[in-house]
Amino acid sequence: DAEITQSPRHKITETGRQVTLACHQTWNHNNMFWYRQDLGHGLRLIHYSYGVHDTNKGEVSDGYSVSRSNTEDLPLTLESAASSQTSVYFCASSESSQLGGEQYFGPGTRLTVT
Amino acid sequence: GEDVEQSLFLSVREGDSSVINCTYTDSSSTYLYWYKQEPGAGLQLLTYIFSNMDMKQDQRLTVLLNKKDKHLSLRIADTQTGDSAIYFCAEKITDSWGKLQFGAGTQVVVTP
Repeated sequence: DAEITQSPRHKITETGRQVTLACHQTWNHNNMFWYRQDLGHGLRLIHYSYGVHDTNKGEVSDGYSVSRSNTEDLPLTLESAASSQTSVYFCASSESSQLGGEQYFGPGTRLTVT
Repeated sequence: GEDVEQSLFLSVREGDSSVINCTYTDSSSTYLYWYKQEPGAGLQLLTYIFSNMDMKQDQRLTVLLNKKDKHLSLRIADTQTGDSAIYFCAEKITDSWGKLQFGAGTQVVVTP
């Protein structure tokens, strides 16, 4: 069965360190998204990609970067982790469509920056 | 960006109906979604409605769409303890190839 996975599921890191969160999907979807979830804010879009070598900034992209070298993976990098980046991060994927766009979510990564 | 608004909390007795409300801002949005998030898990699509529909029923779930007021609601009949979760409404962003705008989520607590 197709799925979307994230690793690690939990991560504790120190302020200033570079951290990379992995996202892998086997749906063969063109679209991939990274969100963060914080209490009271719901899901906020960090970065997204509509295909290989395509990346776009979302509403809260400062301090984060992504790259898309193949269809299956969209790793999220925190260049220099800050305490404000403590959050739960979700990756999602969807087919590329002007009409619909159901997104399939991974299980999330809980990141703590100390 | 556009804001999708939901109330943050709903408490309901087991067996009663739950109604979760949402207002959205993009009147051109073609699809509106309801997602469910159980503790420690990702979001799962619960149901969706196309903008040319007023109502959609799927077993215990009823979605009502009022396009004039940009209001979306989700009714869960005969609410069970397993329905305790966070429910997110989302709208597809017009002219995007799949971007969604999510609300902040409504925490539903079902009491025995």
